[in-house]
Amino acid sequence: GAVVSQHPSWVICKSGTSVKIECRSLDFQATTMFWYRQFPKQSLMLMATSNEGSKATYEQGVEKDKFLINHASLTLSTLTVTSAHPEDSSFYICSARFGGNTGELFFGEGSRLTVL
Amino acid sequence: AQSVTQPDIHITVSEGASLELRCNYSYGATPYLFWYVQSPGQGLQLLLKYFSGDTLVQGIKGFEAEFKRSQSSFNLRKPSVHWSDAAEYFCAVELTGGGNKLTFGTGTQLKVEL
Repeated sequence: GAVVSQHPSWVICKSGTSVKIECRSLDFQATTMFWYRQFPKQSLMLMATSNEGSKATYEQGVEKDKFLINHASLTLSTLTVTSAHPEDSSFYICSARFGGNTGELFFGEGSRLTVL
Repeated sequence: AQSVTQPDIHITVSEGASLELRCNYSYGATPYLFWYVQSPGQGLQLLLKYFSGDTLVQGIKGFEAEFKRSQSSFNLRKPSVHWSDAAEYFCAVELTGGGNKLTFGTGTQLKVEL
């Protein structure tokens, strides 16, 4: 099946720094990617929809200035957590749909962010 | 607001025993329905999905799920569990015409005893 890859798989940073997470569709083009956040023992919460060549669409309650999303190409979307704080520590997961609107959604392995 | 409920946070079954994971949703209309599995260090993998038609759907790894409109449920079943099935299972729904956005349940952690 199609492959979505995230990098890094885990990252530790100091409070106040910014961290960038990459999401790549390795063998298909994705005009739309999705970013989720997963807290321990909890479900995945959709943060935003990343659209290639245009601004991301954020879900209610998600700070767009805090979580910057760039979808510069058909195979790459990036999530930058700006001025990270310990409460931003979480598991971030991206996904991309393969094969049109009814195609299967493929997920990356996830990126675990720990802010000290 | 739309919601997905997985009542069981943890389930433990013996290897070889049957399994049923529950999922209920709250929507005005029938959404698209999915079950995903998440193993440690791996991304979510689609087990099966329901869009329309036959309400009993077959998936990978021997899993099946049945859509029951009257109960707003989409329970996942497997007749004989293998130790490798131990993982976190998520039910998810997508509103038709909802921009491909999924709403996930809180997940059920499955433990398999040998």
